[in-house]
Amino acid sequence: DGGITQSPKYLFRKEGQNVTLSCEQNLNHDAMYWYRQDPGQGLRLIYYSQIVNDFQKGDIAEGYSVSREKKESFPLTVTSAQKNPTAFYLCASSIRGAEVNEQYFGPGTRLTVT
Amino acid sequence: AQSVAQPEDQVNVAEGNPLTVKCTYSVSGNPYLFWYVQYPNRGLQFLLKYITGDNLVKGSYGFEAEFNKSQTSFHLKKPSALVSDSALYFCAVRALTTDSWGKFQFGAGTQVVVTP
Repeated sequence: DGGITQSPKYLFRKEGQNVTLSCEQNLNHDAMYWYRQDPGQGLRLIYYSQIVNDFQKGDIAEGYSVSREKKESFPLTVTSAQKNPTAFYLCASSIRGAEVNEQYFGPGTRLTVT
Repeated sequence: AQSVAQPEDQVNVAEGNPLTVKCTYSVSGNPYLFWYVQYPNRGLQFLLKYITGDNLVKGSYGFEAEFNKSQTSFHLKKPSALVSDSALYFCAVRALTTDSWGKFQFGAGTQVVVTP
C-alpha cells in the first residue's frame, strides 16, 4: 500500500451524521484522488486534486466534500446528504502532469452507516 | 469520453493453467493502460502499464499484458496461475485530453479464482 495511509480502517456512523475520512501520503505527489468502491461497480471517482488548494468534482461528488490545505493530506467528508454512504473508500495519489504514471492506493476505509 | 470494459465478472482457472483477464477500452486520444490487483479489504496494487512501444508489457508477479490497437484491447495474462493469484483485477485507462486530464477510468473488475 506504499506511502499512503488511510484511517480508520473501519468506521461506523449513525445516519444523519457527517464523517471525515483521513488520507495522508508521504510520496511527495501533487495529485490525490478519492474513489468509492461498491460490489460489482468497480471504482467511481468522487473528487480529485492536482495541486494544493485546488480540487475538482469527479463522477459522484454529490453528498461529499474535500479540502486540500496541505500537499500530503486530502480528507474526505461524507455528509448527511449522501444517500447511500455505506461503501469502501479508497484514496490514491500520483505524480501530477504525467499521464504515464500510475496511481498509488491506500489500504481503504470501510464505512458503515446505520 | 473514455471507457473501459471487462467483459467477464469472474474467471475460473486451475492452478498451473494459463490465466487471461480481458479488457477493452475506448478513448479519443492515445491510451495509457494499466492493470491493478486487489486482495480482499485492501487497496489496489499496480501490476503493469502500457505507454508506448512494445505491445507486450511485462509486470509484477509474472504477469504480462498485450496491447492490441486494432482491437482496442489490453488483456492481462499469466502463463501458469497460482492459487495466490486469486483476487480482483482492474483494468484502467487514462487519455491525454484536456477534459479528462488526470482522471483514470476503471473497469468494473474481474474476480479471478484459481483452484488447486
